[in-house]
Amino acid sequence: QVQLVQSGAEVKKPGASVKVSCKASGYTFTSFGISWVRQAPGQGLEWMGWISGYNGKTKYAQKFQDRVTMTTDTSTNTAYMQLRSLKSDDTAVYYCARDDGRDMVGVFQHWGQGTLATVSS
Amino acid sequence: DIQLTQSPSSLSASVGDRVTIACQASQDIKNYLNWYQQKPGKPPQLLIYDASSLEPGVPSRFSGSGSGTDFTFTISSLQPEDIATYYCQQYDFLPPYAFGQGTKLEIK
Repeated sequence: QVQLVQSGAEVKKPGASVKVSCKASGYTFTSFGISWVRQAPGQGLEWMGWISGYNGKTKYAQKFQDRVTMTTDTSTNTAYMQLRSLKSDDTAVYYCARDDGRDMVGVFQHWGQGTLATVSS
Repeated sequence: DIQLTQSPSSLSASVGDRVTIACQASQDIKNYLNWYQQKPGKPPQLLIYDASSLEPGVPSRFSGSGSGTDFTFTISSLQPEDIATYYCQQYDFLPPYAFGQGTKLEIK
C-alpha cells in the first residue's frame, strides 16, 4: 500500500531553515509527483509547491518562490522540502501529498502524516 | 489566482440530517474540483474528485455536484463519524492549487 512517512517535529529560531523529508513506499516513486501543503494552527490548507518524482522539475507557489526548495532522492524514494528565512507565521504542520500522475494533476489521494515545524525565539 | 469561497464556514447538524456545503470559484474551473475531509490531528482525506466522482472506499452518503463556478458537497444522512472539517480544492488553473477556507461540521 502507498505510504508517505515524514520526518519528525522541528523547532527553529526565526531566520533559520527547516528541511522536512517524505519517504515514499508502495509505488513507483518516479511515476508520480509530490506536492507540499501546509496548515498553520487552526487554519486552512495552503499549497506550497510540487516536484516531479520523474525528473525533479519543480513548480512553486509565488508566495514561497524565494524561500523554498523542493528536491528528491530517487535512490531512497524520498522527497524533501526546505524553507529558509523562517518567521513565526511559518509555524505550521507541513504535509507531503502524492499527486495523481507524473505531471501536475492536483488530485491528492495519499498524504504523509504531517510534520509540525515551530518557529520561536 | 483562483479564489474558492466555501459556505458556511461552520455548520451544526443532527445525526441523520442532510448536510450541504457550497464552494464557489472566482473563475470557471470546469469540473476540476476535489473535496477533502480532515479530522483533528490527521491529514486530509480525498472524498470526491472531478467534482462528482466518489473516491473508492468512500461511503456513498457522500456526493458532489456542480461545474463551472458553483459546486456542492452533500452528506445524505449525517453520521457521528462525519464530524470533521471539509475543504474544496481546485486544480484547473496552475499554480497554485487553491483550497477553500474550510467548513467545520459539528453534531447538534
